[in-house]
Amino acid sequence: GAVVSQHPSWVICKSGTSVKIECRSLDFQATTMFWYRQFPKQSLMLMATSNEGSKATYEQGVEKDKFLINHASLTLSTLTVTSAHPEDSSFYICSARSGQQTYEQYFGPGTRLTVT
Amino acid sequence: GQSLEQPSEVTAVEGAIVQINCTYQTSGFYGLSWYQQHDGGAPTFLSYNALDGLEETGRFSSFLSRSDSYGYLLLQELQMKDSASYFCAPMGSARQLTFGSGTQLTVLP
Repeated sequence: GAVVSQHPSWVICKSGTSVKIECRSLDFQATTMFWYRQFPKQSLMLMATSNEGSKATYEQGVEKDKFLINHASLTLSTLTVTSAHPEDSSFYICSARSGQQTYEQYFGPGTRLTVT
Repeated sequence: GQSLEQPSEVTAVEGAIVQINCTYQTSGFYGLSWYQQHDGGAPTFLSYNALDGLEETGRFSSFLSRSDSYGYLLLQELQMKDSASYFCAPMGSARQLTFGSGTQLTVLP
């Protein structure tokens, strides 16, 4: 089956620093990748949609200058949380979709970010 | 606007049948997906309905009525490992998913 990896699985950083999270599709080409954040016991909130080679489309209320998304290849997308604050602490999950199965998204294992 | 409703919690015993309902309101509706998520884990795909009717995949079935903006997930022969959160997720015109608040299913021995 399709596998999506994320790195790191968890990270602790200090306020004001930036953190980069990688999302990779390991055995398929991901034409589209999605970034979500999830608070404990809550739903997944879509942050942005990225297509390879083009700018990401951000959901309303998500600051594009704070959450930088780059989808440089068909197997890699990165999310950089810039100038992190404690309220950015969350579970960040990416998912990927190949062009052939447009309805199924394959999710990565998530990255737990804690900002101190 | 968009809205999603599903029960927050459901409890059942092993071997039982459970139905998790979902009503939605979304623009540019393509279909309804269901995902399972265990605590601390990633969501995993369960099913997708693009057309009205019932889709069966092993112990899980999913139903969609587009005219009623309603769907449900049916879990049969419940097992302890089925304890998890279940999310309905309508797919919009950009093929993006909107996740509901999730239903926490607890399966008791």
